[in-house]
Amino acid sequence: EDQVTQSPEALRLQEGESSSLNCSYTVSGLRGLFWYRQDPGKGPEFLFTLYSAGEEKEKERLKATLTKKESFLHITAPKPEDSATYLCAVQALIGTSGSRLTFGEGTQLTVNP
Amino acid sequence: AAGVIQSPRHLIKEKRETATLKCYPIPRHDTVYWYQQGPGQDPQFLISFYEKMQSDKGSIPDRFSAQQFSDYHSELNMSSLELGDSALYFCASSLAWLTDTQYFGPGTRLTVL
Repeated sequence: EDQVTQSPEALRLQEGESSSLNCSYTVSGLRGLFWYRQDPGKGPEFLFTLYSAGEEKEKERLKATLTKKESFLHITAPKPEDSATYLCAVQALIGTSGSRLTFGEGTQLTVNP
Repeated sequence: AAGVIQSPRHLIKEKRETATLKCYPIPRHDTVYWYQQGPGQDPQFLISFYEKMQSDKGSIPDRFSAQQFSDYHSELNMSSLELGDSALYFCASSLAWLTDTQYFGPGTRLTVL
């Protein structure tokens, strides 16, 4: 069974204080690893897709990296508007289209001004 | 850019009633996914459809059924509603041949009284 564990559960940062969120996973063949941002009561907003170990992607203050066992979401000089829950999810390589995402429980990030 | 549309956005039902949730995927997307998210929990996969055929099935109760229509929109039918069905229900869509990335809608908040 695919499993995703995110840490920490909650993280409080001061504006400008860089940090990293961790996502550890076990999956029977990784098709893709996904990062989403979710604001309260809203749908997950897509951030990044990573497919193979060593891959990195960046968007504004966010950078996602992938190894064979975990992924990191690095946040550089965060702003209060970066406050949200960040979800990591994996999709297994089962050979068909339309396969599920298995999510971690998320990291709730709060950035104080 | 067009996003996933879900209706209704809010729904209040009594126990044992039925509910129908609708999802309109991003134009040209051929795959639809349904997820359930309880309070403080991560999204749990229910079911998905690729080209109108069921492609993956998760922890969807037997009281629930879903289908994808010829115009690619999808409906989730829920019968004999229970208090525990109260949750946010998200629909996501993807374009299978191009990417595995799932784009989420704003969700339907179902409250069962």
